[in-house]
This record gives sequence, structure tokens and C-alpha cells, in this order.
Amino acid sequence: NAGVTQTPKFQVLKTGQSMTLQCAQDMNHEYMSWYRQDPGMGLRLIHYSVGAGITDQGEVPNGYNVSRSTTEDFPLRLLSAAPSQTSVYFCASSYSQGPSLYEQYFGPGTRLTVT
Amino acid sequence: AQSVTQPDIHITVSEGASLELRCNYSYGATPYLFWYVQSPGQGLQLLLKYFSGDTLVQGIKGFEAEFKRSQSSFNLRKPSVHWSDAAEYFCAVNQETGGFKTIFGAGTRLFVKA
Repeated sequence: NAGVTQTPKFQVLKTGQSMTLQCAQDMNHEYMSWYRQDPGMGLRLIHYSVGAGITDQGEVPNGYNVSRSTTEDFPLRLLSAAPSQTSVYFCASSYSQGPSLYEQYFGPGTRLTVT
Repeated sequence: AQSVTQPDIHITVSEGASLELRCNYSYGATPYLFWYVQSPGQGLQLLLKYFSGDTLVQGIKGFEAEFKRSQSSFNLRKPSVHWSDAAEYFCAVNQETGGFKTIFGAGTRLFVKA
């Protein structure tokens, strides 16, 4: 199993540009989440999904969109990039039931810089 | 609102010494509690979790954590630290009801000196 994969690993955008961060998992997990990590602030939840077709907002959703058309994929879209969105982005997935309930598996992250 | 507090931004311990990382949470009911570790340039890896039952839980890499309801704490411990334990450690809490949302603390960076 590849686990949770994220592309790209690094990205530089100009203010106002849009882009999509890709996330895929091959563990048949129902739950998936996007986080951003900033120094001294831990991980903050952007959006999450409890299954295909179902998404909801986390703590810091403004400026980001998500969709979940399949169980495997959960892309994060930046609509109009701003310097405040410079961060490291992590995708995670977990089981929705059973002994591993809520145990999250994380991707390697995408480091995004907005100039 | 839920919150997770890790009071120590960074901690330095000598190799072979014991370690305790502190975590306090605010939540009305019994939450689901986790500790994750992040090595430099990597994603996070689950160390251990507490859902219910025995309040002392064992995890990977020789770590353990104790849930104390009266103190709203879930501190992480290791009896003897190895140089490879140098990393950032995150405490997290998940609501049992209301869906899947996890709140992370700000993290504690562990330095290990020889």
C-alpha cells in the first residue's frame, strides 16, 4: 500500500493564482482531512470529509474549497492564493469504525509558498 | 469550544533520562485523545490513543500516556529517551459525537543531548 500520497511536494504561487493540492489514499478510509501547519500553531483543520459526497468545514476554511467524488481522492483547491496561505499542508485519512477508529494516517505534506 | 494546550514549546533532555510531555484539553465529555510524533520534514505518525478503559495506555517506541479526567490531562511519558526520539510531539483531541473533527495542540519540540 502507498498509504496517503500528496502532490506536489513543493509549490510556489503568485498572489491571485489558483491551484489544486492532490491527496489520495489506498486504504479504503472513509474519513479524510486537510490541515495546514504553521510554526507555533500546530495543525489546524481546514476541511474534512466523512465519505464520498460529504464534506464540512474545519477551523480555517476561508479561501479553500474541497470536494470528495470518490473514496480515494480528496483534493484541496486554493481559489485565489494569498501570502497568508503560505504553509505546509497535510492530508490525512482514517477508518470510520472498528479498533482503528479515528487513527489518522498522514501524507508527506506539500510546502506552499505564495509570493 | 474544544482546545488542546501543550504548555511547553520545547524541552531538552539528556539521552537516557526520562521524559514527560504535558497536554491539557478542554471538553465536556470524555474525548478521544491522541499523541502524534513528527520527525523533521515528515508527516505525523500516531504514537498512541485513549478512547476508554484503562487510563494508562501503551504506544509504539516505548511511549506511554496517562489520562487523568480530574486534571483534564493526557501526559506522554518515556522512561529512557534515545537520540532518535528528537522530534515534535502533538497532542490531539477528537469529539466522540458530532462527526470527525480533530483538534491539535501547538506541539512540543523535543531536543535530546548526548
